[in-house]
Amino acid sequence: EIVLTQSPGTLSLSPGESATLSCRASQTINSHYFAWYQQKIGQAPKLFIYGAFSRAAGIPDRFSGSGSGTDFTLTISRLEPEDFAVYYCQQYDSSHITFGQGTRLEIK
Amino acid sequence: QLQLQASGPGPVKPTETLSLTCAVSGFSIGSSKYFWAWIRQSPGKGLEWIGTISPTGNTFYSPSLKSRVTISADMSKNQFSLQLNSATAADTAVYFCARSSPQLGLDSPAGWFDPWGQGTLVTVSS
Repeated sequence: EIVLTQSPGTLSLSPGESATLSCRASQTINSHYFAWYQQKIGQAPKLFIYGAFSRAAGIPDRFSGSGSGTDFTLTISRLEPEDFAVYYCQQYDSSHITFGQGTRLEIK
Repeated sequence: QLQLQASGPGPVKPTETLSLTCAVSGFSIGSSKYFWAWIRQSPGKGLEWIGTISPTGNTFYSPSLKSRVTISADMSKNQFSLQLNSATAADTAVYFCARSSPQLGLDSPAGWFDPWGQGTLVTVSS
């Protein structure tokens, strides 16, 4: 099983600032097989990034994914109030799909 | 517009079978391009992939749940289902169904999930 460890657990920032969320895998992942999701309270997760770099339909270009090997990053520039939520990473490089434990992005 | 709606009979007692159905509207689950998946979320374990079914009926399960899980599909009703046997309190979670975009062909569940249904809370308690 590929374990994904997200950091930090909680990130406190103000609107207008930039956020950097990290996800580290326990073994090398093909970057084509990595995704990021946003989840708000009481809602289902929503796909934001797939293939490590590609934005899902309707996702603003303030969101960007990067990384390779074992280290992946979600960067959010110019934070908007609606961006504050929990973000999860996911790998699908193995037949045992796994998720990270999440990073909570909260308003400072 | 594609929508997924998970539903179930309500609380489950320990040792019983947890059964859920995901009704899909706006898209045929028989389409060869996509798979269909169950994922759950509990406070203690975060998001956990349970399993995936392909349009041809191939099933793929999480190794940790494989001995207790069955996923099936009813093309005539455009829905797919989850059965989890011998339920325990550890199975208490919000269960989501989702469409999966397979990336490694028909013999692998590898893919991202989009969209997700709204989720249904299942409580396992006596």
